[in-house]
Amino acid sequence: AQSVSQHNHHVILSEAASLELGCNYSYGGTVNLFWYVQYPGQHLQLLLKYFSGDPLVKGIKGFEAEFIKSKFSFNLRKPSVQWSDTAEYFCAVNIRDTGNQFYFGTGTSLTVIP
Amino acid sequence: NAGVTQTPKFQVLKTGQSMTLQCAQDMNHEYMSWYRQDPGMGLRLIHYSVGAGITDQGEVPNGYNVSRSTTEDFPLRLLSAAPSQTSVYFCASSYSRSPLHFGNGTRLTVT
Repeated sequence: AQSVSQHNHHVILSEAASLELGCNYSYGGTVNLFWYVQYPGQHLQLLLKYFSGDPLVKGIKGFEAEFIKSKFSFNLRKPSVQWSDTAEYFCAVNIRDTGNQFYFGTGTSLTVIP
Repeated sequence: NAGVTQTPKFQVLKTGQSMTLQCAQDMNHEYMSWYRQDPGMGLRLIHYSVGAGITDQGEVPNGYNVSRSTTEDFPLRLLSAAPSQTSVYFCASSYSRSPLHFGNGTRLTVT
């Protein structure tokens, strides 16, 4: 079965620190990849997406992610986090060969300390 | 353009009661889905639909029913609520293989 793994369950950083959140998926075919963010008490919002082309994609609020096909990874990065980045982050995979089902990781809770 | 609208926002049920969580979207998306979110488990797909009249089961369908009579609406029914169904429920919609748009969620407590 397809799966999405986020190995960092809870990350605590100080403001201005750099962030990297890992995401690995288990499907070997063609995929679309997403990162979503969920601020406290809110619904999930799209941070960035990768469909094809340049494996380094830039999203909103200074986030970026790199698709490494050989490693089945799509890690999220931000050079300098802010207190307002405190949220839960979810990696998601959409497999092109099947229906429109999305598979989500278990999420990483990020706490940024001022 | 309201996006994805879920009602109610909060609900408390007693074990054995039934209820329907409503979901409506105004973006003409053919794909709609229901997820439940539980701590440490991420989002798990309950049911989904690729168009009006077509529904299918996701990862955790037991205890839930859905129907899709129109493109806009995708209600989720709990026929006999159980404490294990205490969760936050999200409805989401999209065009085929485009990013999901999420509703604001329904926080359900079953006592």
